Amino acid sequence: DAKTTQPPSMDCAEGRAANLPCNHSTISGNEYVYWYRQIHSQGPQYIIHGLKNNETNEMASLIITEDRKSSTLILPHATLRDTAVYYCIVRVALGGNNRKLIWGLGTSLAVNP
Amino acid sequence: EAGVTQFPSHSVIEKGQTVTLRCDPISGHDNLYWYRRVMGKEIKFLLHFVKESKQDESGMPNNRFLAERTGGTYSTLKVQPAELEDSGVYFCASSHFRAGEGYEQYFGPGTRLTVT
Repeated sequence: DAKTTQPPSMDCAEGRAANLPCNHSTISGNEYVYWYRQIHSQGPQYIIHGLKNNETNEMASLIITEDRKSSTLILPHATLRDTAVYYCIVRVALGGNNRKLIWGLGTSLAVNP
Repeated sequence: EAGVTQFPSHSVIEKGQTVTLRCDPISGHDNLYWYRRVMGKEIKFLLHFVKESKQDESGMPNNRFLAERTGGTYSTLKVQPAELEDSGVYFCASSHFRAGEGYEQYFGPGTRLTVT
C-alpha cells in the first residue's frame, strides 16, 4: 500500500519555482524519502532523496519537516522540459541490500510558458 | 554508460498466450528489480534479484508470473498464460551500492503489455 499522498496535479509558470508537496505521515525511522519523475513514455528518472536533512543537487532541493511526516520537492527555475509526473516515494530497507520503492500516484506537473 | 534497456517496448497478445519480457540492466549492477503499473494505479514492486538469486518476490501477483536472471546479467519475466488484468507497463530497474550515493535505482523505459 502507498505510504505517500500527493496532489494529483499542479501548474507552474516557466522560470518560477515549482514546489511539490508530499505527505508521508506513517514513515518509519529508517525509511528514506525518494523523488522520481516520469516524462511521458519514458522510464522513471531519479531526482533526489533524503532521510531527515534537507538535500540539494543540480536538479532540485528536498525539504523534509522535522517530524518527517511531510516533504517538499523544489524545482528552483522550472522549464517546459520539467513537465512530468513527479513521484514521492518511501524506500523501505528490508535487510541485505533490498531497497523496495513504495510508490504513490504522483503529481502531474504542467509547466506553462 | 548504457542505461537499462527493455524489450519489447510494446507487446499485444491474446488472453491465454505466453509473453516473455526482457531486461538488460546497467553493466555491473548486481541488483535488478521488476515493477508494474496497471492503468490508473500506482507503480507496484514485483521482485528483486541480487545477481542470479531472488531476494524478494513478495510482489509477484501469482504463479503465472516467472522471473529468471540466469548468470546474473539480463532478466526475463514470463507471463503464462496471460490474463486481461496483466495488461500494464512493466518496468525494470537496476542499482549498485556506491558509497555516498546509496542504492539509486535506474529505470528502463518499460514494456507496455496489452492482453486482449
